[in-house]
Amino acid sequence: EDKVVQSPLSLVVHEGDTVTLNCSYEVTNFRSLLWYKQEKKAPTFLFMLTSSGIEKKSGRLSSILDKKELFSILNITATQTGDSAIYLCAVPLNTGNQFYFGTGTSLTVIP
Amino acid sequence: DTEVTQTPKHLVMGMTNKKSLKCEQHMGHRAMYWYKQKAKKPPELMFVYSYEKLSINESVPSRFSPECPNSSLLNLHLHALQPEDSALYLCASSQTTVNIRNTEAFFGQGTRLTVV
Repeated sequence: EDKVVQSPLSLVVHEGDTVTLNCSYEVTNFRSLLWYKQEKKAPTFLFMLTSSGIEKKSGRLSSILDKKELFSILNITATQTGDSAIYLCAVPLNTGNQFYFGTGTSLTVIP
Repeated sequence: DTEVTQTPKHLVMGMTNKKSLKCEQHMGHRAMYWYKQKAKKPPELMFVYSYEKLSINESVPSRFSPECPNSSLLNLHLHALQPEDSALYLCASSQTTVNIRNTEAFFGQGTRLTVV
């Protein structure tokens, strides 16, 4: 059975802190892992990772994939209140042609 | 343009009503999806259309009926829903389906549905 598990489930930090979010997966025929940020409604795409050890970076956000240990991390440095959101990771599954989502991490950044 | 547009944004309907949710994208994507998301849960797949053909129906009750009139449009017809169907309904599209090659999905803003 395919599994995508995120940790922690929720996190409260102060502005300026650095956070690390984890996404572990066990899926057949793994090809890629995607990170999304969901504020009020639409999940917005952050990164797609396909290769181990290659960091993807966008501003204060960065992400890396470890295909040997089957996980990915999303780092956010110098957090701001606007980073408060649910962060979802998703793995495309061939069986079902779908994007299968993890449990999500709810991040709250306090001023 | 990486926009997926959903209408309406909010919908309140009675259990005997018939309504439709609409989704539109103009990115030339050939795969479109309906997801259902309950509060504090991740999105769950309902339907996948690939090249305007229904590819996957994840055992969704028949009171939900999808339709893909053309490659840019996706509808979800609702009839005789139950209060437990209240949720955020998200439409997404991707360049192609994931069994063909790696691709990301773009999501619409969703329709917040309340069944009374």
